[in-house]
Amino acid sequence: DAKTTQPPSMDCAEGRAANLPCNHSTISGNEYVYWYRQIHSQGPQYIIHGLKNNETNEMASLIITEDRKSSTLILPHATLRDTAVYYCIVRVVGNAGNMLTFGGGTRLMVKP
Amino acid sequence: DSGVTQTPKHLITATGQRVTLRCSPRSGDLSVYWYQQSLDQGLQFLIQYYNGEERAKGNILERFSAQQFPDLHSELNLSSLELGDSALYFCASSKTGGSYEQYFGPGTRLTVT
Repeated sequence: DAKTTQPPSMDCAEGRAANLPCNHSTISGNEYVYWYRQIHSQGPQYIIHGLKNNETNEMASLIITEDRKSSTLILPHATLRDTAVYYCIVRVVGNAGNMLTFGGGTRLMVKP
Repeated sequence: DSGVTQTPKHLITATGQRVTLRCSPRSGDLSVYWYQQSLDQGLQFLIQYYNGEERAKGNILERFSAQQFPDLHSELNLSSLELGDSALYFCASSKTGGSYEQYFGPGTRLTVT
């Protein structure tokens, strides 16, 4: 599986867009990028995933660079409730075991 | 609310004891996963079941075992408990065995004294 690198922490002002980067320079063609977040001691929450095209849902947007070596999760209007640890995970989708491998993630602090 | 339920929420027990954690997946989900989160190890995958059969195993200790029942609920059994087993245990579920779109329960906090 491709290794991911994320900044350990970021701050964002409430109401502004939060842009969380993830580097996955060794990603292969059949690996997807998944984003999860974990609000303090709660169960991780699925946010979004993508392969090569940009994706958007009600929670966030995922921008994947053309070479797929990096991606950015965008929370368009961050609120205090978005304060959490955000995990970028790269995995091949298939019939084998589908465990998620969580790294250190980015601790996002949304400030008033 | 993810739709995944876990019981109990909290469990305090002594070293050497055995406990059972229970998980009910979202309606329609066939796959169940167990993860452990401790302060020093982060979130770690333990084991996956799909429609009653073991699909994948992570760094699960031999003292730990799990099963998924015909009604698709799952139990994680932890025996000969040690202080280091104190952690949050999360269950997640997904529709198929091949999905990384997993929905996590609220967790069971186990404290071993």
